[in-house]
Amino acid sequence: EVQLVESGGGLVQPGGSLRLSCAASGFTFSSYWMSWVRQAPGKGLEWVANIKEDGSEKYYVDSVKGRFTISRDNAKNSVYLQMNSLRAEDTSVYYCAHSSIWGQGTLVTVSS
Amino acid sequence: DIQMTQSPSSLSASVGDRVTITCQASQDISNYLNWYQQKPGKAPKLLIYNASNLKTGVPSRFSGSGSGTDFTFTISSLQPEDIATYYCQQYKNLLTFGGGTKVEIK
Repeated sequence: EVQLVESGGGLVQPGGSLRLSCAASGFTFSSYWMSWVRQAPGKGLEWVANIKEDGSEKYYVDSVKGRFTISRDNAKNSVYLQMNSLRAEDTSVYYCAHSSIWGQGTLVTVSS
Repeated sequence: DIQMTQSPSSLSASVGDRVTITCQASQDISNYLNWYQQKPGKAPKLLIYNASNLKTGVPSRFSGSGSGTDFTFTISSLQPEDIATYYCQQYKNLLTFGGGTKVEIK
């Protein structure tokens, strides 16, 4: 079965850090760009970051540049999102995705 | 950066009605456009890719058209199970989503 499973979300204080993980199965993970997309409560979808198949290129939305880092381990079929200096406005459900393949999402809440 | 302007932001229609949503790109994206359906508490589901290609298994009442900067998504006969929020997404340069259209039953 083709699937993506995110983990690592939770409650964190402003200024804190969190690392999200996304485990892929059922498809050739190393052949695909991967993305992180987030959705704030009651809001629309926002692209966060992309990483090329071999990890050689990474791109970020302006609001997270310098704070978030996307990475991948093709041997483990996994993509990660390291989130530092978290702000209240980062509170969202975070999805890893590629085209038609989406995870179930993991909720990140930034609050004191 | 490519901006995607989607309209309307919400609509209310009767079962059996034809529903149309538009999406405009801030620059030419050829046909690098997807349409997604999202129901509350669920991940988005891809319906249309490359602007007009119906994903396998998606009902034929869903369709998409357009190229360049102007795109249209249509539900030919609205069904109760189509109640959801719909998003366009460009993938010509990174990813950008439209603001979404919430579809409700009148």
